[in-house]
Amino acid sequence: GDSVTQMEGPVTLSEEAFLTINCTYTATGYPSLFWYVQYPGEGLQLLLKATKADDKGSNKGFEATYRKETTSFHLEKGSVQVSDSAVYFCALNRLQGRRALTFGSGTRLQVQP
Amino acid sequence: EAGVTQFPSHSVIEKGQTVTLRCDPISGHDNLYWYRRVMGKEIKFLLHFVKESKQDESGMPNNRFLAERTGGTYSTLKVQPAELEDSGVYFCASSQDDRGPYEQYFGPGTRLTVT
Repeated sequence: GDSVTQMEGPVTLSEEAFLTINCTYTATGYPSLFWYVQYPGEGLQLLLKATKADDKGSNKGFEATYRKETTSFHLEKGSVQVSDSAVYFCALNRLQGRRALTFGSGTRLQVQP
Repeated sequence: EAGVTQFPSHSVIEKGQTVTLRCDPISGHDNLYWYRRVMGKEIKFLLHFVKESKQDESGMPNNRFLAERTGGTYSTLKVQPAELEDSGVYFCASSQDDRGPYEQYFGPGTRLTVT
């Protein structure tokens, strides 16, 4: 079945540091890929998405590129802020058949001033 | 446009009791999903409604969980009787049927604690 693997957290960075959160997936066909973020005390918010190979999703300074050859969708940001502290979830779903999202286990990011 | 809302935000019950969680999707969204996150692990799918019909309930853990969606609007998830392992955060999400890749919009979740 489908699965998503994320790097273990927590990840602790200083403000303005470069961020990478690794995400790899296992799925047949061509899933759509997502990053969701959960800020403290809030629900899940869609951060960015990509629907086909080599697509780059971007939002709020975050980027991720759909790499089919390495089955990866790593999240990056060039300069993190304290306000980026949150839990980040990588996820996938399908356009055909099952539409439920398959999530990774989440990576907690803590940014220190 | 109002987002997905869930009620209650937090529920504490004793083992063996019954709890009902409610989700109101974004107006006009035919698709409604339930997920849960247990003990800080990955978020797992429970079931998917299209309007009032259960499209996929393959993630429901056992027959102690009953989900309904009256008239294709709000949905309820009842746990009866609750067990300790049911503790976790229950998320509801909704999406439009005609907009791929079927982006799902999540509510804030209901934190369920079974003691």
